[in-house]
Amino acid sequence: NAGVTQTPKFRVLKTGQSMTLLCAQDMNHEYMYWYRQDPGMGLRLIHYSVGEGTTAKGEVPDGYNVSRLKKQNFLLGLESAAPSQTSVYFCASRPGLAGNRGQETQYFGPGTRLLVL
Amino acid sequence: DQQVKQNSPSLSVQEGRISILNCDYTNSMFDYFLWYKKYPAEGPTFLISISSIKDKNEDGRFTVFLNKSAKHLSLHIVPSQPGDSAVYFCAASGFTNAGKSTFGDGTTLTVKP
Repeated sequence: NAGVTQTPKFRVLKTGQSMTLLCAQDMNHEYMYWYRQDPGMGLRLIHYSVGEGTTAKGEVPDGYNVSRLKKQNFLLGLESAAPSQTSVYFCASRPGLAGNRGQETQYFGPGTRLLVL
Repeated sequence: DQQVKQNSPSLSVQEGRISILNCDYTNSMFDYFLWYKKYPAEGPTFLISISSIKDKNEDGRFTVFLNKSAKHLSLHIVPSQPGDSAVYFCAASGFTNAGKSTFGDGTTLTVKP
């Protein structure tokens, strides 16, 4: 199993450009998450999904959109990149809650480093 | 208002000694707590967890203690090894929050040989 993979690993954007970050998991997990991590800070939740076709806002959703068209994929879009979106982005997945209470572990991808100039 | 706090940004210990990392939380609805370990240029990986019905969970060199009344948990690493040098994140989750976890800001542990 590859686990959680993220594409690309690194990207440089100019202010105003758009891009999509791809997250894929092969563990048949129901729930998926997008986080950003800034220096000296923890992981802040951007958006999440509790199943195919569903998405919800997290703690810091402004400037981002997401889609979950297939269970295994969770896409994060930046429509008009800003320097404040320079960060490392992590995707994570976990089993759904039903019958899995106690299996709280999230499985993370290796991260995408984004620099917006 | 930060619901999960790790008040020590960094910790340095000598190889073979005990490392103690601390975490405080404010939300009494949290009922599951986890520690993740993160190496540079990698994603966080799960280390150890504890349910709110327990006060201690042990896995090899790693032990997590939970004090519900104080809303405090700690991670003990004994003995510490240079390979343990990493950023450690404390996380908390609750039954009603759609499987989401709230993370602390992390503590950078450095184990000196």
